[in-house]
Amino acid sequence: DIQMTQSPSSLSASVGDTVSITCRASQNIRSCLNWYQQKPGTAPRVLIFAASMLESGVPSRFSGSGSGTEFTLTIGRLHPEDFATYYCEQTYSSPVTFGGGTKVEI
Amino acid sequence: QVQLVQSGAEVKKPGASVIVSCKVSGYSLTELAINWVRQAPGKGLEWMGGYDHETEGKIFAEKFQGRVTMTDDTSADTAYLELSSLTSDDTAVYFCATSVDYYDSSGYYLGFWGQGTLVIVSS
Repeated sequence: DIQMTQSPSSLSASVGDTVSITCRASQNIRSCLNWYQQKPGTAPRVLIFAASMLESGVPSRFSGSGSGTEFTLTIGRLHPEDFATYYCEQTYSSPVTFGGGTKVEI
Repeated sequence: QVQLVQSGAEVKKPGASVIVSCKVSGYSLTELAINWVRQAPGKGLEWMGGYDHETEGKIFAEKFQGRVTMTDDTSADTAYLELSSLTSDDTAVYFCATSVDYYDSSGYYLGFWGQGTLVIVSS
């Protein structure tokens, strides 16, 4: 199975900050990497797919980059509603695997 | 727009089985690839199984092999997840989610999610 290692596991930031989250794959997954946001008590929602493609309706302050084994989610100018947990996911090969999550806290 | 509505919370005893349903609307179930993801309390996301694009069949995570069944009732546009031989480690919220292919079909993401079903396993 492909292991996805996310870092950091948590971070503290302020409204208006720019933050970055890294996801490393244990093997080359090309660009088959997605990013999700999850708030307590709700289902995850996709933000970025195919490493860098912004899902429709997602604010442009979210961006993704990377390919192969290293990927980054960047949130520019944090808004209050961005405080949540973020997960990366690879769909290059089965089984699908997720990173451990990054909790973005105030 | 695809909508997925899941069945309600369940409380089960160890050793029992649970069935979670996922009703699709907006599309026919035959047009969708349903995946199942679970989340233990305070933990991360864990993919259980779903449609494998390479084999065009269902595939399950190895840890659930032999304990999980995924079925479809296309007449009711409803997908089902059955998990047997439950233990306390199976206490989690179970989500169904549909795959959405990338533009070049090189991969996919989970684009639409159900609201989740809490399953509690307790004696």
